[in-house]
Amino acid sequence: GNSVTQMEGPVTLSEEAFLTINCTYTATGYPSLFWYVQYPGEGLQLLLKATKADDKGSNKGFEATYRKETTSFHLEKGSVQVSDSAVYFCAGLYNFNKFYFGSGTKLNVKP
Amino acid sequence: EPEVTQTPSHQVTQMGQEVILRCVPISNHLYFYWYRQILGQKVEFLVSFYNNEISEKSEIFDDQFSVERPDGSNFTLKIRSTKLEDSAMYFCATTGSTFSGANVLTFGAGSRLTVL
Repeated sequence: GNSVTQMEGPVTLSEEAFLTINCTYTATGYPSLFWYVQYPGEGLQLLLKATKADDKGSNKGFEATYRKETTSFHLEKGSVQVSDSAVYFCAGLYNFNKFYFGSGTKLNVKP
Repeated sequence: EPEVTQTPSHQVTQMGQEVILRCVPISNHLYFYWYRQILGQKVEFLVSFYNNEISEKSEIFDDQFSVERPDGSNFTLKIRSTKLEDSAMYFCATTGSTFSGANVLTFGAGSRLTVL
């Protein structure tokens, strides 16, 4: 079946460190892939997306590349800031309207 | 930027009471969803709604839950007899065209339900 799996958290980094949050998907087809971010006390906001293989989504210094060969969509950022502390959710869109979310990864960035 | 609006932002209720959570979707969107997030846990799919009927629902969405679009604008989630374990943040979300492979879920800010 269809599913999205992401790495367990929490992830704790120092400011300016490199970030990777892993996400893999399973699918019989080719879902669109997303990263959503949830800041404390808020709802989910779209961070970036990619709709087909080899697409790279990017926003606010974050990026993720849709890799068909490894069925992955890992989130990366070269230099994290304290303000990036949040929970990050990977998601896949299947059949136009069915979204599957990963379990979320909490990121703590320390000054 | 178009928004999904949810009310109330926080509701406290007694166990066994009925609760209605309201959502105003983005005006030209076609698919509507409710998700639930128990504090500190994953975002769980409850139900999707299209063309005035439920298109899919999860095992969480039992007979205590119902959804409707009573007036063509609001999209509501009703819990008939709340239980303690219904305490969670409930998110409404909507997407646009059914013919795009790049639909994006736009979420509301959420309604926090506390059942005592």
